[in-house]
Amino acid sequence: NAGVTQTPKFRVLKTGQSMTLLCAQDMNHEYMYWYRQDPGMGLRLIHYSVGEGTTAKGEVPDGYNVSRLKKQNFLLGLESAAPSQTSVYFCASSTPEARRHYEQYFGPGTRLTVT
Amino acid sequence: AQKVTQAQTEISVVEKEDVTLDCVYETRDTTYYLFWYKQPPSGELVFLIRRNSFDEQNEISGRYSWNFQKSTSSFNFTITASQVVDSAVYFCALSEEETSGSRLTFGEGTQLTVNP
Repeated sequence: NAGVTQTPKFRVLKTGQSMTLLCAQDMNHEYMYWYRQDPGMGLRLIHYSVGEGTTAKGEVPDGYNVSRLKKQNFLLGLESAAPSQTSVYFCASSTPEARRHYEQYFGPGTRLTVT
Repeated sequence: AQKVTQAQTEISVVEKEDVTLDCVYETRDTTYYLFWYKQPPSGELVFLIRRNSFDEQNEISGRYSWNFQKSTSSFNFTITASQVVDSAVYFCALSEEETSGSRLTFGEGTQLTVNP
């Protein structure tokens, strides 16, 4: 099992460019999440999904869109990147089975710089 | 709304010292879960422990121990006989009982540096 993987690992964008971050998990988890980590602020939830075809807003959703077309994938899109979106992005997944949905498994992170 | 506070931004100790990382949380739920994660310099998040709100037993795992006190809304983490490899950022997190999508609220993190 690869667990949770994220593509790409690093990316540099210019202001106004768009991009999509891909998160994939092979654990058959129902729930998936996108967080961003900024210095001194911990991780903050951007969007999450409780199942294929469903998404919901987290704490800091503005400027991002997400899609969950397949159960194993959760895409995070930036339509028009801004320097304030420079951050490290983490994807996570969990399962509601046996009340284990409180245990989130994290990907390795994507470091995004917007110039 | 739930909130997690880690008042210690940075802690520096000498190897073999004991160190305690503080975590204070706020929640309106009676059922919730508390976590500690470790983020070493390599950047990945490593799960350390999960605690349920209805289980106040302290826990020990090797050199790690956790002290959960509902009366003070605290979930502190102690490393005994610290080692250089313990140097990392440590995050405390909270998840409330929900019908779906157990979202985590993280504290700001504590940077622990263990010097040889």
